Order: sequence, then C-alpha cells, then structure tokens
Amino acid sequence: GQNIDQPTEMTATEGAIVQINCTYQTSGFNGLFWYQQHAGEAPTFLSYNVLDGLEEKGRFSSFLSRSKGYSYLLLKELQMKDSASYLCAASTGKLIFGQGTTLQVKP
Amino acid sequence: GAGVSQSPSNKVTEKGKDVELRCDPISGHTALYWYRQRLGQGLEFLIYFQGNSAPDKSGLPSDRFSAERTGESVSTLTIQRTQQEDSAVYLCASSSNINYEQYFGPGTRLTVT
Repeated sequence: GQNIDQPTEMTATEGAIVQINCTYQTSGFNGLFWYQQHAGEAPTFLSYNVLDGLEEKGRFSSFLSRSKGYSYLLLKELQMKDSASYLCAASTGKLIFGQGTTLQVKP
Repeated sequence: GAGVSQSPSNKVTEKGKDVELRCDPISGHTALYWYRQRLGQGLEFLIYFQGNSAPDKSGLPSDRFSAERTGESVSTLTIQRTQQEDSAVYLCASSSNINYEQYFGPGTRLTVT
C-alpha cells in the first residue's frame, strides 16, 4: 500500500528552528517532494530529494534516508510568513501526498 | 510566461448536475495532474496524463469522474451526477516530465448544494 505520515500540527516561535518529519511506505519510490501551501492558495514547490542526505536551500533544508523511508524539512530563522501547511509527497511516477503539517509561527 | 490556469475559480452546483473543470497547463509541459483537496485535508491524486501515453486513472474515486486531455494542452475534468461529498478544491498541476517539479494552478472550488 501507499502511506505517508507527517504530524498534523506544529507550533514554533519566530526566529527559531523547526523540523517537520515525514515517513513513507510506497510501492516504488523515485524521490521525495516538499511543498508549502498557504491557506486558500495552491501548493508551491520547496524541495526534491532523490539521493540520501541533506539539501540546503537558504533557510530551508530537506533530508532524505531511502533505507529508513524518512525525510524531514528543516526551517531556520522562522518568520511569521512561514506559517503555512507543509506537504510531504513521495514520487512513484505520480505524487502521493501526506495530509500536511500545519505550522503556526508565533511572535 | 503564464503559469497553470484553471477555470472556473468557483463553481456552485446542485446535487445531481454535471460539472466540467478546465485546466490550461504551462506551455511545453508534457505531464498534467489532477488532485482533489477537501477542507483541511491533504491532496488526493485523481489522474495524470504524460504525453501520448495512456493516462493513469487509478485515483479516480468513481465512474462519475472522468478526464480528457487534448495532446499536450488543455485538460477537462468532468464530474457527472455530482454529490455533496464531491465538494472540494480541485487542483491541476503540470510538469515538464514525470518526477519533475509540479506547478499548481489556483484551483477550482466546487460546492455541491
């Protein structure tokens, strides 16, 4: 079967660091996407990991371990505008999305 | 260049009616995807088209749902005999190929009364 798990909600403080975890079990796996979705808007691409390891892109980094079926998104120097849902998606040729993690950044 | 566009942006329909949702992908993108997102939920895959290959329809929830795509351009998602549980935002995305970054349209919010 196909299963993507991520926490439903997280809260963090402005300026802090937060890590959003995602575990996956899929039939076939090509890579792991992270998308950001602000309320009422369409998702926008953040990162795509194919190989194991950490990929850094500014304040955002994403990690993948294929052997463990595990990924995380790391957000540094949190800003209020980072309050959004973060969607983990496994690529099997099509994208299988998790339910999303709603992150609330507080001042 | 223009991004992915969808129309209408909002659609209110009565239970039992048919609706057609349209998606214009980014020019040159061979892959096109349809997703459904219920309020507060993640994205649910419906169908994808890749070039001239047969579409992957494995996510369509019932035979009331169908989709077509003309070549590598416009796609239409049709829902027949709409039910209240069909109420959701329907998102379309396109990418230059499978496994590449997907660009999403603004979605169509469908409300079935």
